Amino acid sequence: EADIYQTPRYLVIGTGKKITLECSQTMGHDKMYWYQQDPGMELHLIHYSYGVNSTEKGDLSSESTVSRIRTEHFPLTLESARPSHTSQYLCATAGDDSTDTQYFGPGTRLTVL
Amino acid sequence: GENVEQHPSTLSVQEGDSAVIKCTYSDSASNYFPWYKQELGKRPQLIIDIRSNVGEKKDQRIAVTLNKTAKHFSLHITETQPEDSAVYFCAASREDQAGTALIFGKGTTLSVSS
Repeated sequence: EADIYQTPRYLVIGTGKKITLECSQTMGHDKMYWYQQDPGMELHLIHYSYGVNSTEKGDLSSESTVSRIRTEHFPLTLESARPSHTSQYLCATAGDDSTDTQYFGPGTRLTVL
Repeated sequence: GENVEQHPSTLSVQEGDSAVIKCTYSDSASNYFPWYKQELGKRPQLIIDIRSNVGEKKDQRIAVTLNKTAKHFSLHITETQPEDSAVYFCAASREDQAGTALIFGKGTTLSVSS
């Protein structure tokens, strides 16, 4: 069944560490997105991609980077984790049709001590 | 850039009552307006969406209306049930040179009491 996978689901890490959050999808979608969300709160767009070798910055992009080498994968890297990065990170995908509907992955809950 | 305002931030209703959540957007070029439901600890799920060439769309107990002139759209839930309790997010599309992104409202926490 087509789905979006995020690993790890939970991560506790110390300040200053470099971390990569993985997102992979079997939806067959070209468009992928990363959002940051505190529980039950607003979704903030971090980065997005419309296809291989395409990446765009969102509203909260300054402290992270992404890459899109393969259609199925869209990893998010924090070069130096800080307590302010403690949040949930949601990956989403959208197809090439005209609907622009986004489908979300289960999320990674990150805690930076 | 696009800005989406959502009201109210919290809404409490009795089972069987109707619930209405309203959103306004700033970019007149926006043409796609989805609504997502997020239950506690789960991922957001699309419940209904509308494009700018349509004024209203209905799916069973859920309906969305769009007023392009006033740049606002609303979610209507009739005959609410306890399982409707969740956080609801509206969003509006934002076009850039490469494609489409979504800008989300801050969310509405709906509580339905039996």
